[in-house]
Amino acid sequence: GIQVEQSPPDLILQEGANSTLRCNFSDSVNNLQWFHQNPWGQLINLFYIPSGTKQNGRLSATTVATERYSLLYISSSQTTDSGVYFCAVGKENSGGSNYKLTFGKGTLLTVNP
Amino acid sequence: DAGVIQSPRHEVTEMGQEVTLRCKPISGHDYLFWYRQTMMRGLELLIYFNNNVPIDDSGMPEDRFSAKMPNASFSTLKIQPSEPRDSAVYFCASSLRWGHEQYFGPGTRLTVT
Repeated sequence: GIQVEQSPPDLILQEGANSTLRCNFSDSVNNLQWFHQNPWGQLINLFYIPSGTKQNGRLSATTVATERYSLLYISSSQTTDSGVYFCAVGKENSGGSNYKLTFGKGTLLTVNP
Repeated sequence: DAGVIQSPRHEVTEMGQEVTLRCKPISGHDYLFWYRQTMMRGLELLIYFNNNVPIDDSGMPEDRFSAKMPNASFSTLKIQPSEPRDSAVYFCASSLRWGHEQYFGPGTRLTVT
């Protein structure tokens, strides 16, 4: 199946710093999503971005599908940004009837005040 | 819309007991997914439905697990009999159509003692 690798596995920042999280995947994909899992365990949708660039406030994401990677940028980080950031990709199988998200192991982000 | 709704939010049960987890997808979404999250295995897909029909149950760990979707607004995941290794957070997600963004519920934290 498709492999998803996220880096770095852990990241510690001071409030106000910027960061870049990376997601590499092993095959072409039809779907790519970034999630934030907050300390209460909720999975919050950040971006649906199988290709291109999107921005939402202090967060932005870029997916270069031809090179099989995606980047999540967090600017001016805040303590509320702490949690685990997951990249998940989806790929249709050859028969066109299968669709599932495969998750990376995540990046644990800690933002200190 | 209220988003994906799951119940119960927490479940504690003894080994050997039957456990039923419930999910109400976002209205109008054609796809429903059940995921499990553990420290060892991360987030993994168990089963998904399209228009109430199970499409891929290859992620269901064993025969003790079963899932149903009797109508477009309700799905259950049942474990019978439950075992301590089933302890995990179980997420339900839905998406509007194939390949589209998936939205996750708050999860059910299951503890089997």
